[in-house]
Parts: sequence; C-alpha cells; structure tokens
Amino acid sequence: GAGVSQSPRYKVTKRGQDVALRCDPISGHVSLYWYRQALGQGPEFLTYFNYEAQQDKSGLPNDRFSAERPEGSISTLTIQRTEQRDSAMYRCASSLADIQNEKLFFGSGTQLSVL
Amino acid sequence: AQRVTQPEKLLSVFKGAPVELKCNYSYSGSPELFWYVQYSRQRLQLLLRHISRESIKGFTADLNKGETSFHLKKPFAQEEDSAMYYCAPGVNYGGSQGNLIFGKGTKLSVKP
Repeated sequence: GAGVSQSPRYKVTKRGQDVALRCDPISGHVSLYWYRQALGQGPEFLTYFNYEAQQDKSGLPNDRFSAERPEGSISTLTIQRTEQRDSAMYRCASSLADIQNEKLFFGSGTQLSVL
Repeated sequence: AQRVTQPEKLLSVFKGAPVELKCNYSYSGSPELFWYVQYSRQRLQLLLRHISRESIKGFTADLNKGETSFHLKKPFAQEEDSAMYYCAPGVNYGGSQGNLIFGKGTKLSVKP
C-alpha cells in the first residue's frame, strides 16, 4: 500500500475483553514500531521489530500486552483483559532500515476505548 | 534517565511573527534529534532531523549541546503551520535506530 495501514481505526470494548490491533507497514520496510499515546501526551514507545524479530519490548507496560510480527510484515498488538487505563491512541510506524536517523512513517492510529 | 521536555503546551502567534518551539533533552551520550508534526486530521510525520541540517517549510532546528536544546524556529509563521509539534530524541543503540522518545508536544496556533 501507499502508507502504513492500521485497523481498526476505532475500537470500543468492554473491560476484561481481549483486543487485537493490526498494523500493515509499508512494503519492504524492515523495522516496525508500536507507540501508545494518551490524551495530552506524546507517543510512548511500546516495542519494535526488525523483520520478525522483536528487538525491544521494554515499553510494554505489563504482561497483558504482547506483539508479534511472524512473517516480518504485518504486526499485531494484543491486549488481554483490557482495563480502562488502556484507553489511548495506538500508533504503528515503520522505517525502511534499522539505522540511526531513519525516518519513521506513521499510520493513522487505532483509537481504543475501554468501557 | 533519558528525558525530553517541551515546556509549552500551547504557543499562539500571529501570522508573520517569528516562532520558536522549545525542546530540551536530558541524555547520556549524543542523541539523534528529530521534530515530528501532526497537522489536523493528518498522520504524525517527520518534519526535520538534526543530522540533515535541513530547512523544511521554513523551519530550522539547531542543536545546542551546551544547553542540551533543540529548539524549532521559523522567522515568519504561516497559518498552515498550525499543528502539534513533537520533539523526539532517538535512543542510540550503537548504530541502530532503537526507539524515539517523544516529548509531550506543543500545539502551535497561528492566527490571521
């Protein structure tokens, strides 16, 4: 596709449910990043992949959060047993290579609301 | 701990006035520095990066290592500059991109 695609755009779920957020990066991009952005805050790093390998998951807040990128392309961020504090915009980005100063291309984000 | 501070939540200027969006960072070593921007109803996107020494849409940013600052400047603001601006130092992973740490952002409002 022309850009990074995220789905769904909006997700409303009840507390305790599991959710899966999808990211389809720009074709050929090596690196894929997940960020979370709460209202009034900047994007907060969650995790990133090079190809299918998860390079850094230090930003995942707890073990309810997990991410995978099994074939080195599409990635899924899964939140189990959602809580109201998980409500935020979840942003995915990709970059062509994992080198310093590489430009990140962001998707439109998934707005998650946990009731 | 590595931190980035954007002290102004909102900056309001009139068209044609100079604008400076402040960014201070606290890092060990030398971070790579970026400014990202989000215009209304658009995606977050790269505005400029320190390494390129570039001027994008009339904006420049100078790294001041002594003051650990990377302020974004434009001599004459335009209405279309109204947006949310994020300063983002990059964690140095010995050559790899690692992750970016974003500031809380400054909302720039340019009035006619």
